[in-house]
Amino acid sequence: QVQLQESGPGLVKPPGTLSLTCAVFGDSISSSYWWSWVRQPPGMGLEWIGEIYHSGVTNYNPSLKSRVTISVDKSRNQLSLKLSSVTAADTAVYYCARIDRAYMGLWGQGTLVIVSS
Amino acid sequence: QSVLTQPPSVSGAPGQRVTISCTGSSSNIGATYDVHWYQQLPGRAPKVIIYGNSNRPSGVPDRFSGSKSGTSASLAITGLQADDEADYYCQSYDSSLSGRVFGTGTKVTVL
Repeated sequence: QVQLQESGPGLVKPPGTLSLTCAVFGDSISSSYWWSWVRQPPGMGLEWIGEIYHSGVTNYNPSLKSRVTISVDKSRNQLSLKLSSVTAADTAVYYCARIDRAYMGLWGQGTLVIVSS
Repeated sequence: QSVLTQPPSVSGAPGQRVTISCTGSSSNIGATYDVHWYQQLPGRAPKVIIYGNSNRPSGVPDRFSGSKSGTSASLAITGLQADDEADYYCQSYDSSLSGRVFGTGTKVTVL
């Protein structure tokens, strides 16, 4: 059974950098899928952050593109998210997801990141 | 601000049918990009219930159905049950943004 597990600091000070990882269990990150990050501020809707293919090709949400970096670590079978210059508006639950064809067919449980000094 | 608009809430009695609309434009739904629907139970991660406009993943009851026409899509839930209470999101691709987009989300309440 394939599972995704996000991890990282639950508290980040502004204007620092948010760093999260998503470990992939039961599948290879080098398989023929795109891997994505999605976030959800408390009480609000879902926002697509970006995605990556194992070759390193990335696509980012234009509204976040200047601050986001998504990468893969094949040796650890995980993907990473870095979001720089964070503010309170970046407080959210962050999810990683596997993209099956064009939809997000598998999600991690999510991890809450609070941006506060 | 999302480019896909959904009603904030819909409600129905047990056993009834409810529908959720997802309105887009010529750069997303109207450009023939597929629409997918996710159910998010309280405190849980989203789960796909409809993909490719009208396809149900294995294990999703046939009470859930999806359709698409023009620049809009719809999710229908028939035989509404208490455990259908959740937030529902549509999702597609937008060529103007060159990225995936989610709808604003709809809360379904079972009366």
